[in-house]
Amino acid sequence: EAGVTQSPTHLIKTRGQQATLRCSPISGHTSVYWYQQALGLGLQFLLWYDEGEERNRGNFPPRFSGRQFPNYSSELNVNALELEDSALYLCASSFFRTVMNTEAFFGQGTRLTVV
Amino acid sequence: GESVGLHLPTLSVQEGDNSIINCAYSNSASDYFIWYKQESGKGPQFIIDIRSNMDKRQGQRVTVLLNKTVKHLSLQIAATQPGDSAVYFCAETSPPIQGAQKLVFGQGTRLTINP
Repeated sequence: EAGVTQSPTHLIKTRGQQATLRCSPISGHTSVYWYQQALGLGLQFLLWYDEGEERNRGNFPPRFSGRQFPNYSSELNVNALELEDSALYLCASSFFRTVMNTEAFFGQGTRLTVV
Repeated sequence: GESVGLHLPTLSVQEGDNSIINCAYSNSASDYFIWYKQESGKGPQFIIDIRSNMDKRQGQRVTVLLNKTVKHLSLQIAATQPGDSAVYFCAETSPPIQGAQKLVFGQGTRLTINP
């Protein structure tokens, strides 16, 4: 069974551009979580999608946005890129609504570099 | 506020020794905790979890201890092996509020196994 897949694995953008990151959850999982992992820091919660709706978001500016498609895959969009947006962006999926009793499975991440 | 922190950013142990990684959390409502292992270039992998109604849980070579009184969590790895070298994150979640739930991660501890 395929795990959580993310694309691309690496992305290089210039400041001010937009970046689009993609995530495909494990089959049967309806919740997708996005996390930012800056160098030397822990995972910072970005967004949570479930059943096509944004359920919660972390303390990030509105230029971080996303969506979830009917097949439960998800996109993370980052507009007006800034240098400090350079990080590893991780996607995780889990069953409906709760991570309780079900570990969230993570993808390998997309390394975004803003120059 | 919500935060999950780690006492030590780095830990070096001799191969074969036991290692203990500590984690403190501040949200007294947290009721589910997970330890993740992240190897270089990979996404976090689930190691072990524990609910707040337990104070100890054992897996294969790993034990998680939970002390709710002082809001402290630890991961014990027995007979460490070179493959245990990684960054270890603790994460916590609390009961959903209006359906919203997310994992809050600590900064991580880098465990290095010396031959």
